[in-house]
Amino acid sequence: KAGVTQTPRYLIKTRGQQVTLSCSPISGHRSVSWYQQTPGQGLQFLFEYFSETQRNKGNFPGRFSGRQFSNSRSEMNVSTLELGDSALYLCASSGGPGNQPQHFGDGTRLSIL
Amino acid sequence: GQQLNQSPQSMFIQEGEDVSMNCTSSSIFNTWLWYKQDPGEGPVLLIALYKAGELTSNGRLTAQFGITRKDSFLNISASIPSDVGIYFCAGRETSGSRLTFGEGTQLTVNP
Repeated sequence: KAGVTQTPRYLIKTRGQQVTLSCSPISGHRSVSWYQQTPGQGLQFLFEYFSETQRNKGNFPGRFSGRQFSNSRSEMNVSTLELGDSALYLCASSGGPGNQPQHFGDGTRLSIL
Repeated sequence: GQQLNQSPQSMFIQEGEDVSMNCTSSSIFNTWLWYKQDPGEGPVLLIALYKAGELTSNGRLTAQFGITRKDSFLNISASIPSDVGIYFCAGRETSGSRLTFGEGTQLTVNP
C-alpha cells in the first residue's frame, strides 16, 4: 500500500513569490492535514481537509491556504513568500476526521532566498 | 493554546540500555500518538493510544496513556543503533482532530 506522497521534495523560491505544494494521501484515506516543521517552532498545525472541506485551521496568516480535490488529493499554497516561511511542510492522511492516527509523507523542503 | 512538554530534549545512551521519555499536557487529550523521525524523512507512527491507562507495545517499544489523560510515556528496551532519531509525542484534544506535537527527544545510541 503506497504511503503519503508529497511533491516536490525540495523547492527554492525567493521572497514575494508564491508556491503550491501537493499531497496524495494513502489510498482510501479521506482526511488530509498539513503541518509546518521548523527548528524553532517544531511541528505546527496548518489546516485539515475532509471531503473537500476545510475542517480545522491553525494560527497561520491568510497567505497560507489549501484545498482538497474530490480524489482526496490536497494542495497548499503560500503567497507572498517570506524568509520565515522556510521550513519542511508535512502532509498527513487518515481514514477520516476524529480519532484516527495520521500517517505522514516525507515532506517538501521549502527554502526562501 | 495547548502546550505539550516533552522530556528529555536529548539522550545519549549506550547500545543495550533502556530509554524512557514522556510528555505532559496542559489540556486533556483523547488520543496520544508517538512518532519517530529520521533525517530527511517524515514522522513514522510508532504507537497510538486511545484510552486512559492503556498500555501498548510494538516490539521493543511500550507506551502508556496516562490516567489523567494529560500525559504519556514511551519506553524503548534494549536500544540498538537504528533507534537513533527524533521521537515526538502528539496529542489530540477531545474536540477536533488536529494534533499538537511535543518538542521532540533526540536519541543517540552509542554502539
